[in-house]
Amino acid sequence: GAGVSQSPRYKVAKRGQDVALRCDPISGHVSLFWYQQALGQGPEFLTYFQNEAQLDKSGLPSDRFFAERPEGSVSTLKIQRTQQEDSAVYLCASSFERDLTYEQYFGPGTRLTVT
Amino acid sequence: GDSVTQMEGPVTLSEEAFLTINCTYTATGYPSLFWYVQYPGEGLQLLLKATKADDKGSNKGFEATYRKETTSFHLEKGSVQVSDSAVYFCARGGSARQLTFGSGTQLTVLP
Repeated sequence: GAGVSQSPRYKVAKRGQDVALRCDPISGHVSLFWYQQALGQGPEFLTYFQNEAQLDKSGLPSDRFFAERPEGSVSTLKIQRTQQEDSAVYLCASSFERDLTYEQYFGPGTRLTVT
Repeated sequence: GDSVTQMEGPVTLSEEAFLTINCTYTATGYPSLFWYVQYPGEGLQLLLKATKADDKGSNKGFEATYRKETTSFHLEKGSVQVSDSAVYFCARGGSARQLTFGSGTQLTVLP
């Protein structure tokens, strides 16, 4: 079965450009998470969806970051007017709603480099 | 808030050596605990998990025991292999559902 997929795998953007990162979760997974992983660090939470509802966006670093999941499956993380500090790997993860252990399955990530 | 403190690396061992990577967590609530592994060029993979106190998670020769009294979840392996070279992340779940990760420990195993 397919795991979590993300595209593109690599993205280079000039400072000030807008970018859109896509996540396809595992089929049937209700919960979807976005994390940001800076070089040499652990992933840090950005936002969480349950179906199409964005239940927590407390980790989004600024109002330049926006995420959506309009039909409760595919999700897009959009970063407007990219800055150099946005350079990181962006990870998507999904999980079963009823998995009370909160085990999450991660995609390969999108490495964003802002020049 | 929730946090995870992980032994800093890098750690370099010879093949067949014993491995311990320390991890402690904040004691808010009764979190599930996880070890994830990131092999070079690959995404995060779940290595093992434990969901309640005294549970032992194990996989591929790695073990970790959920110790509530010391708020710890140390990763151990009796005999490491070159193929174990990777970055290891300790993480905790919580009522907010997202995972909180430690900063990662780079392990290099030399032949």
